[in-house]
Amino acid sequence: GNSVTQMEGPVTLSEEAFLTINCTYTATGYPSLFWYVQYPGEGLQLLLKATKADDKGSNKGFEATYRKETTSFHLEKGSVQVSDSAVYFCALKVDYKLSFGAGTTVTVRA
Amino acid sequence: DAGVIQSPRHEVTEMGQEVTLRCKPISGHDYLFWYRQTMMRGLELLIYFNNNVPIDDSGMPEDRFSAKMPNASFSTLKIQPSEPRDSAVYFCASSPPTGTGNIQYFGAGTRLSVL
Repeated sequence: GNSVTQMEGPVTLSEEAFLTINCTYTATGYPSLFWYVQYPGEGLQLLLKATKADDKGSNKGFEATYRKETTSFHLEKGSVQVSDSAVYFCALKVDYKLSFGAGTTVTVRA
Repeated sequence: DAGVIQSPRHEVTEMGQEVTLRCKPISGHDYLFWYRQTMMRGLELLIYFNNNVPIDDSGMPEDRFSAKMPNASFSTLKIQPSEPRDSAVYFCASSPPTGTGNIQYFGAGTRLSVL
């Protein structure tokens, strides 16, 4: 079956620190990969995506590269801000179904 | 566009009562998804529709749950009778037609508490 495993949190960082959240997947077929972000009290918002191997998704300073050889899609940001505090979900899509990881709570302190 | 609109935002009910959650997808989107989010199980896909037709309901937990999409702009998720273990945040998402990236856009969710 399809599944996503992502780094357990919570993660607490200082402003301007480097953030990495690891994500690996298992899938049948050729999935598209996504990172979604959920701010408190809100729904999920798409952060970035990659649809094929070696694609790099980027948005708001976040990046992730689709690595087929390691079945990974790690999220990185070079300098986090307090406003990046949220829950981050890695997800894969096969056909029209999204499978999500458990989510990683990130807190950035000023 | 206003995005995916869900109502109510919060629902508190007593065990045994019927609960109806509502969703208005983004105009022009022909896929609609219902998810449930809990601490124990994370985000789970319950059911999804394409062009108002249910395609996959394998995630619906049991017969107490039912979903309908009578037209392209409205869907409901009904729980009858409700139980405390149904307490969760329920999300609706919609997605544009094939070939446009199939990105799912989520509503703000309905937080359900069953006492």
